[in-house]
Amino acid sequence: KAGVTQTPRYLIKTRGQQVTLSCSPISGHRSVSWYQQTPGQGLQFLFEYFSETQRNKGNFPGRFSGRQFSNSRSEMNVSTLELGDSALYLCASSFPPHNEQFFGPGTRLTVL
Amino acid sequence: QQQVKQSPQSLIVQKGGISIINCAYENTAFDYFPWYQQFPGKGPALLIAIRPDVSEKKEGRFTISFNKSAKQFSLHIMDSQPGDSATYFCAASDRSNYQLIWGAGTKLIIKP
Repeated sequence: KAGVTQTPRYLIKTRGQQVTLSCSPISGHRSVSWYQQTPGQGLQFLFEYFSETQRNKGNFPGRFSGRQFSNSRSEMNVSTLELGDSALYLCASSFPPHNEQFFGPGTRLTVL
Repeated sequence: QQQVKQSPQSLIVQKGGISIINCAYENTAFDYFPWYQQFPGKGPALLIAIRPDVSEKKEGRFTISFNKSAKQFSLHIMDSQPGDSATYFCAASDRSNYQLIWGAGTKLIIKP
């Protein structure tokens, strides 16, 4: 089985721009979670989608949004980028009721 | 009550020694406690997980010890090797909400 894939792997944007990141989960997995990871920081939960519905949401501003498609692929969007949005954005998929999350390699976003 | 507190933040252990990382939680509804390992440039990967019906689980050199009454669980790495150098995250979740609550992470360095 192919693992979780994320595109693009690296991205450089300037302040004020917006960005869309993509995540393709493992085949058969219907839950996709997104995390932000900054240097020296833990995993900050952004949101989780299950069957195209946002099931859980972390404590991030409304500039961060996401969606999930019928094939379980997910996208997250960040509008009006700020310097502090520079981070590694990780996507993880799982197959409820199993809790194990399988992570992708992440998208490294740099905001200049 | 949703927090998982992880310590230490960083740890240096000599090759062949025992590495111990601790986590504590408050929510007694948590019933799944995984540990994830993350190498630089990679997403986290599940290392070992435990449910509260057992007090210890061992997989090779990795052992989870679980103390339900103290609401604590820990990861022990026996005969630590330089290849174990990574960041380790504990997490917890309950059946009513599949969202994982993450610890802040421990950067482990094994000195040759």
